[in-house]
Amino acid sequence: DAGITQSPRHKVTETGTPVTLRCHQTENHRYMYWYRQDPGHGLRLIHYSYGVKDTDKGEVSDGYSVSRSKTEDFLLTLESATSSQTSVYFCATRRDSGNTIYFGEGSWLTVV
Amino acid sequence: QQQVKQSPQSLIVQKGGISIINCAYENTAFDYFPWYQQFPGKGPALLIAIRPDVSEKKEGRFTISFNKSAKQFSLHIMDSQPGDSATYFCAARENQVYFGTGTSLTVIP
Repeated sequence: DAGITQSPRHKVTETGTPVTLRCHQTENHRYMYWYRQDPGHGLRLIHYSYGVKDTDKGEVSDGYSVSRSKTEDFLLTLESATSSQTSVYFCATRRDSGNTIYFGEGSWLTVV
Repeated sequence: QQQVKQSPQSLIVQKGGISIINCAYENTAFDYFPWYQQFPGKGPALLIAIRPDVSEKKEGRFTISFNKSAKQFSLHIMDSQPGDSATYFCAARENQVYFGTGTSLTVIP
């Protein structure tokens, strides 16, 4: 358990509205990730961060932005939510020089 | 394009049987191959992992078999138990970690 808290855990939002998911970690891990999980696709990387204010795109970054202003917090923003962004979102962390990725418990997002 | 191909999508095994999940990849730059286990409503958690210079790794009832020349690796769960019922993801790393599509395992008592 890497002390990862995701909020909100469940959210229903309307198409076109902005949404922000928050990830908070207590282990001081350097790397933080946002994945989405969809049936038939497994886990796909959206964005990741390798330090404060240092972020990069993953496989499926279109329509998403991230920010990391503190080591412990990593925010994922859907600028204008679409139905295709209905998914389960997982935050994950990894310590520097470690191999293990630790996952949070997920945020279920439904865009109607 | 799926970097790691995983099969089967679902698997039903009797208690005490062997569960086998297979994965294949093309990128020879992958240097680390973990398996993650996910229970309903939870995030995935690392189960076992292997590096490509090793052909097999065993931890309790869980074994990874790795075939570098064939670019395939598999998870074997011996003496499968109902508590093993979960979704299993294989993965491979080159800077980023790429996950397979997952296998839903059900172990019938």
